Amino acid sequence: SYELTQPLSVAVALGQTAKIPCGGSNIESKNVHWYQQKAGQAPVLVISRNDNRPSGIPERFSGSNSGNTATLTISRAQDGDEAAYYCQVWDSSAAWVFGGGTKLTVL
Amino acid sequence: QVQLVESGGGVVQPGRSLRLSCAASGFTFSKSAMHWVRQAPGKGLEWVAVISDDGSNKYHADSVKGRFTISRENSGNTLYLQMNSLRLEDTAIYYCAREGIMGVHDPLDIWGQGTMVTVSS
Repeated sequence: SYELTQPLSVAVALGQTAKIPCGGSNIESKNVHWYQQKAGQAPVLVISRNDNRPSGIPERFSGSNSGNTATLTISRAQDGDEAAYYCQVWDSSAAWVFGGGTKLTVL
Repeated sequence: QVQLVESGGGVVQPGRSLRLSCAASGFTFSKSAMHWVRQAPGKGLEWVAVISDDGSNKYHADSVKGRFTISRENSGNTLYLQMNSLRLEDTAIYYCAREGIMGVHDPLDIWGQGTMVTVSS
């Protein structure tokens, strides 16, 4: 089965840039999607297919995917960005796979 | 207004059954693959099952295979999850979600608010 690895937590100072990694074997060969989940709410898609922002998502959110690591980057972090972030891919052996999630704290 | 509304959750004893429903509105339900995703208390997201737009193809996670069945009724814009032989570890919020329609294995672009299932004796 295919596994995605994320750090449990990432902290960023207000107004600075946060980078959330998502590790997987040869992940660059896959399309990676990212979801934001605020406390008590349903997940929201923030990045699709590695680096595409759905309508309504701020330009401060961006994504990249290279080698064995995909990265979600949040520029000029705001208090409202505090949430859990999940990466997700489709794999032929494991179907839809989510990473364990990263809790972003804005200091 | 694009919306997914889950229902049917509750408290159930181990070994019993429960059926979840998800009512869709605001988009062409019959043209969208649909998923169930769950989240145990304090844990991350776990994919549960997917069904193709016409219902002809279904896939379930190994953790629920043989116990859960996804289905849909396109005439009524409703998605279902039949859960049998429930276990304590099935306790979670269950979300229904729409798979995007841009291509193959698109991301989940619309989510419901979830329905809580508690398995307890």
